[in-house]
Amino acid sequence: QVQLQESGPGLVKPSETLSLTCTVTGGSISSYYWSFIRQPAGKGLEWIGRIYTSGNTNYNPSLTSRVTMSVDTSKNQFSLKLTSVTAADTAVYYCARETGTTGRALDYWGQGTLVTASS
Amino acid sequence: DIQMTQSPSSLSASIGDRVTITCRASQSISSYLSWYQQKPGEAPKLLIYAASSLQSGVPSRFSGSGSGTDFTLTISSLQPEDFATYYCQQSYSTPRTFGQGTKVEIK
Repeated sequence: QVQLQESGPGLVKPSETLSLTCTVTGGSISSYYWSFIRQPAGKGLEWIGRIYTSGNTNYNPSLTSRVTMSVDTSKNQFSLKLTSVTAADTAVYYCARETGTTGRALDYWGQGTLVTASS
Repeated sequence: DIQMTQSPSSLSASIGDRVTITCRASQSISSYLSWYQQKPGEAPKLLIYAASSLQSGVPSRFSGSGSGTDFTLTISSLQPEDFATYYCQQSYSTPRTFGQGTKVEIK
């Protein structure tokens, strides 16, 4: 059974960089797209971007100037960096797998991690 | 970006009711439409992919239909564990986008 687990600091100071890692267990990271999605408290879901195991990326244009995603296939991990954070970046951050066999849906999700941007 | 609009934003229903949620895309997305269920404090869970395919392990009371721009999620007989928020999502193009959500509450 594939499982995803987000890890990283829960508190980031404004103007600093948010860094999260998603570790995939129970299956290979290869040959899939891996995504980050976030959700502010009481609000809806926002897609941040995705990375293929080749390193190919797609980002949300609303965040593209501040987002970088990377993948480490040897560790079965992928990562998110979001620079110059503000209070508006406070949210629960999820990682998820996108697969072509399910119509490019997000079939496995991490439990989510709350990141608060505050001094 | 493709805009996804769900209706209603919330609804109240009773156990055993048939519930229908709609999702409209701002342009044709073929059948690249998924539905997710989210309960408080939990990650979203995939229910339906490719507009009408039931994800493994999801009860058959859930069904999806539609193609192009108009889609529907139906719960044939609402159960206590179905009270949650439901989201549609398009995977036709990037950026992927979600509907604003529909909260299903107990009447």
